[in-house]
Amino acid sequence: ELKVEQNPLFLSMQEGKNYTIYCNYSTTSDRLYWYRQDPGKSLESLFVLLSNGAVKQEGRLMASLDTKARLSTLHITAAVHDLSATYFCAVSYGKLTFGQGTILTVHP
Amino acid sequence: DVKVTQSSRYLVKRTGEKVFLECVQDMDHENMFWYRQDPGLGLRLIYFSYDVKMKEKGDIPEGYSVSREKKERFSLILESASTNQTSMYLCASSFLARTSRTEAFFGQGTRLTVV
Repeated sequence: ELKVEQNPLFLSMQEGKNYTIYCNYSTTSDRLYWYRQDPGKSLESLFVLLSNGAVKQEGRLMASLDTKARLSTLHITAAVHDLSATYFCAVSYGKLTFGQGTILTVHP
Repeated sequence: DVKVTQSSRYLVKRTGEKVFLECVQDMDHENMFWYRQDPGLGLRLIYFSYDVKMKEKGDIPEGYSVSREKKERFSLILESASTNQTSMYLCASSFLARTSRTEAFFGQGTRLTVV
């Protein structure tokens, strides 16, 4: 059974700081996704990572994939309040399995 | 833009009722999914479907069934609602994994309360 684990589950950051969210998964897969969810809203696709070594960046967020280590990271650079949300990684292996989510709060 | 539409944002049902949650997508996606989301548990897959009339159990199918009679529509059925099925239900759709555009697109969610 595919397991997807994120850490940390809760992240409180100061504006301007950098941090990384980690996503580990248990079964070989070459497709990994990152999503964002704002309170009371649905999930929004952020990144699709399709191959080992893939790196994608959008604004202050950068995602990478290491399929050999079965690890993806979501790096936040110089956090701002607007990034406060819950972030999920998800792995496709037949079905689409999600991590538990990381609740990110950015405060002044 | 991809649109995944769930029939209700909020529902309140009584224990023992049969409940239908409807989901429609307009992007000709082959895959459709039903998840439930609970605090601290993330998204858990109930059922998914990769074609009309095809269905596969997810991680927590007990107490649920699904129907996919048309490609664009995927229904989740709670045969006899119970209070432990109170949750946020999310529908999603995606292309099959033969292209690079395989991310799932989500509906707005249905918050179901069973009393």
